[in-house]
Amino acid sequence: GDSVTQMEGPVTLSEEAFLTINCTYTATGYPSLFWYVQYPGEGLQLLLKATKADDKGSNKGFEATYRKETTSFHLEKGSVQVSDSAVYFCALYQGAQKLVFGQGTRLTINP
Amino acid sequence: SQTIHQWPATLVQPVGSPLSLECTVEGTSNPNLYWYRQAAGRGLQLLFYSVGIGQISSEVPQNLSASRPQDRQFILSSKKLLLSDSGFYLCAWSSEDTEAFFGQGTRLTVV
Repeated sequence: GDSVTQMEGPVTLSEEAFLTINCTYTATGYPSLFWYVQYPGEGLQLLLKATKADDKGSNKGFEATYRKETTSFHLEKGSVQVSDSAVYFCALYQGAQKLVFGQGTRLTINP
Repeated sequence: SQTIHQWPATLVQPVGSPLSLECTVEGTSNPNLYWYRQAAGRGLQLLFYSVGIGQISSEVPQNLSASRPQDRQFILSSKKLLLSDSGFYLCAWSSEDTEAFFGQGTRLTVV
């Protein structure tokens, strides 16, 4: 079945460091791909998305490119801030109206 | 605009007691509806999803059940709670392959 695999956390960085959170997926066909963010005690919010190969989603300085050849959708940010501390989830949506999430990666940014 | 309501926000229940968590959506018709559970320190597990009234797909066999008595109402239930049912429960809706919108979550503690 469809699945999403994220890099293991937690990830701890210093402010202004470069961030990469890896995400790979397994799916038949061409799913839509998403990154969601969950701040402490809250539900999830959409961070960015891409719906076809080579699309780049971007928001709040975060970027991710839909790579069909490597079945990946890695999240990147050039300079992280303390306020970026949260749990990040990679997800895919394909057919069957089923939205599947990765296991989440906890990110902590130290000042 | 669309909104999603989930309640209660927190719940402490004894082992063996019943459970009913409710989720309603406003401002959209025939949404796809989801129940997820997020156990402490773990990822997001899809429990149930529904593409229409009375249509429920179960992802994981367990002590829980779901019902969709109305188009924009999704209920998560249990007849007898187990300690392992403790966690953070999230309701979400989406339309086709657009982003999913999440409720604020219910933190359930079974004691």
